[in-house]
Amino acid sequence: DIQMTQSPSSLSASVGDRVTITCRASQSISRHLNWYQQKPGKAPQLLIYGASTLVSGVPSRFSGSGSGTDFTLAISSLQFEDFATYYCQQSYSTVRTFGQGTKVEI
Amino acid sequence: VQLVESGGGLIQPGGSLTLSCTASGFSVNANSLTWVRQAPGKGLEWVSLINSGGSINNADSVKGRFTISKDTFKNTVYLQMNSLRAEDTALYYCARQIDYYDSGTYYSVFDVWGQGTMVSVSS
Repeated sequence: DIQMTQSPSSLSASVGDRVTITCRASQSISRHLNWYQQKPGKAPQLLIYGASTLVSGVPSRFSGSGSGTDFTLAISSLQFEDFATYYCQQSYSTVRTFGQGTKVEI
Repeated sequence: VQLVESGGGLIQPGGSLTLSCTASGFSVNANSLTWVRQAPGKGLEWVSLINSGGSINNADSVKGRFTISKDTFKNTVYLQMNSLRAEDTALYYCARQIDYYDSGTYYSVFDVWGQGTMVSVSS
């Protein structure tokens, strides 16, 4: 199975900060990488697919990049509503896998 | 478009439980449906998927114990869980998988999620 490793596991930031989260795959997954946001008590929500394409309605302060094994999620200017846990997920293999998550805290 | 899970509860180790996920606004027969679980305070773990053609994939952690299936007349997907262990304790989400087409490639995503149903395995 393809292992997905996110870093950091958690980070503390302030409103207005630029934040970056990295995700590494144990083998090449081309651009078959999705990012989800999960807030406490809620189901995850899709943010980005294909490594860099924002889902309709997602603010432009979110961006994704990367291909192969290394990927990045960036938030250009953190807003209060962005404090959440973020997960990467690969859809290259029929056995889907998630990263362990990155909690973005105030 | 909505997914509603049910069937969770408290079950003893070694026991069996069947979860249901009923879809509205779309057909389970024409879509791929998946189960994803989240242990208390932990991250997301993909469990199982059934595609529109009925092909199934499972995580290694549940192979031989969990079976995903669907009933097109009830528009419902099921997760039959046998030989349950304490480590299966989690909130179980059902989600729809669809494909987005971008720059010549299809990318699979989980775009609609249910609210989850809790399974607790304990004596």
